[in-house]
Amino acid sequence: NAGVTQTPKFRILKIGQSMTLQCTQDMNHNYMYWYRQDPGMGLKLIYYSVGAGITDKGEVPNGYNVSRSTTEDFPLRLELAAPSQTSVYFCASSGTSGAAYEQYFGPGTRLTVT
Amino acid sequence: AQKITQTQPGMFVQEKEAVTLDCTYDTSDPSYGLFWYKQPSSGEMIFLIYQGSYDQQNATEGRYSLNFQKARKSANLVISASQLGDSAMYFCAMRNAGNNRKLIWGLGTSLAVNP
Repeated sequence: NAGVTQTPKFRILKIGQSMTLQCTQDMNHNYMYWYRQDPGMGLKLIYYSVGAGITDKGEVPNGYNVSRSTTEDFPLRLELAAPSQTSVYFCASSGTSGAAYEQYFGPGTRLTVT
Repeated sequence: AQKITQTQPGMFVQEKEAVTLDCTYDTSDPSYGLFWYKQPSSGEMIFLIYQGSYDQQNATEGRYSLNFQKARKSANLVISASQLGDSAMYFCAMRNAGNNRKLIWGLGTSLAVNP
């Protein structure tokens, strides 16, 4: 049981380049989330999805796009990378078991834009 | 406005002692949940403990307990018998009902356990 997996682990982008951060979960969770964590800060929600085909903006969606064509996958697309997008990106998912519905996190992707 | 406040940027504790990490929250929703997550230096986010607003008893999970004081809107994390492996960042988060399970996060507290 892999849980939530993210690729790549590290990436350096030049300003203006684009890339897709991959996220896959094998827990059949309907809810998925993308966060960014800047140094010394908490997590900020970029986008989230409540099921395949349904996505919505979080607190800081500008400069990003998402899609959710399957339950398992929730890729995050960065278009025209900017230095302000240098951050650690976490993908998380949440299921329907238990009272907590806690979010399970992937290991993160450390992105540097120079 | 919904908000989570963690007022302790950094804390130190001696190994084997107990430590309390503070968390206060602000919400007008009567139904909500409070979470604590641990982030070690390796970077992953690890779920520790959950408290629902209607839960009658304070949550406990092994050495972790949540001191839930609803009237004061506080949800402090208590770690008993601290271990060196407890050194990490600790984040408090809140979820309100009906908001697609989105979490509002505090800025975190860095805990260092001294041998």
